Amino acid sequence: GNSVTQMEGPVTLSEEAFLTINCTYTATGYPSLFWYVQYPGEGLQLLLKATKADDKGSNKGFEATYRKETTSFHLEKGSVQVSDSAVYFCALCVGDQGAQKLVFGQGTRLTINP
Amino acid sequence: DARVTQTPRHKVTEMGQEVTMRCQPILGHNTVFWYRQTMMQGLELLAYFRNRAPLDDSGMPKDRFSAEMPDATLATLKIQPSEPRDSAVYFCASGFHKAGWNEQFFGPGTRLTVL
Repeated sequence: GNSVTQMEGPVTLSEEAFLTINCTYTATGYPSLFWYVQYPGEGLQLLLKATKADDKGSNKGFEATYRKETTSFHLEKGSVQVSDSAVYFCALCVGDQGAQKLVFGQGTRLTINP
Repeated sequence: DARVTQTPRHKVTEMGQEVTMRCQPILGHNTVFWYRQTMMQGLELLAYFRNRAPLDDSGMPKDRFSAEMPDATLATLKIQPSEPRDSAVYFCASGFHKAGWNEQFFGPGTRLTVL
């Protein structure tokens, strides 16, 4: 079946530290991959995406590269800020163009201390 | 700034009561999703619609849950009767389907507590 596994949280870092949140997936076919972010009290927002192998998605200093050989899509940021504190979800899109669905990982809570 | 709106934002009810959650998708979007988020299960897709027609409701308990789109500006999720295990945050998301991926825009959620 289709599934996404993220590193377990919570993750706590100091401001300006380097961030990696691991994400691996299992899917039939060639899924598109996404990172969503959820700030406290809000819904999820798309952070970045990659639609094919070796694509790199980037936004707001975050990056993730679609690695087909390792079935991974790890999220990285070189220097985190307090405002990056949130829950991060890795997701994949499955199905044909008429029936696309997102499958989410369990989420990783990130806390950045000043 | 177009956004998905959901009402109510919070709902506390007693077991056995009917609960109706409403969602207004972004104008022009033709796909609407309902998700449920809990600590134990994470984020689960309950159902989704395209052009107001249900495409998939396999994630929804059929005996007590129902989802509808009476018109293009309103989606509803109803639980009858509600149970304590239904306590969760329910998110609505909308998007415009076209060839290739379409982004999903999430609402702020309805936090449901069933006592």
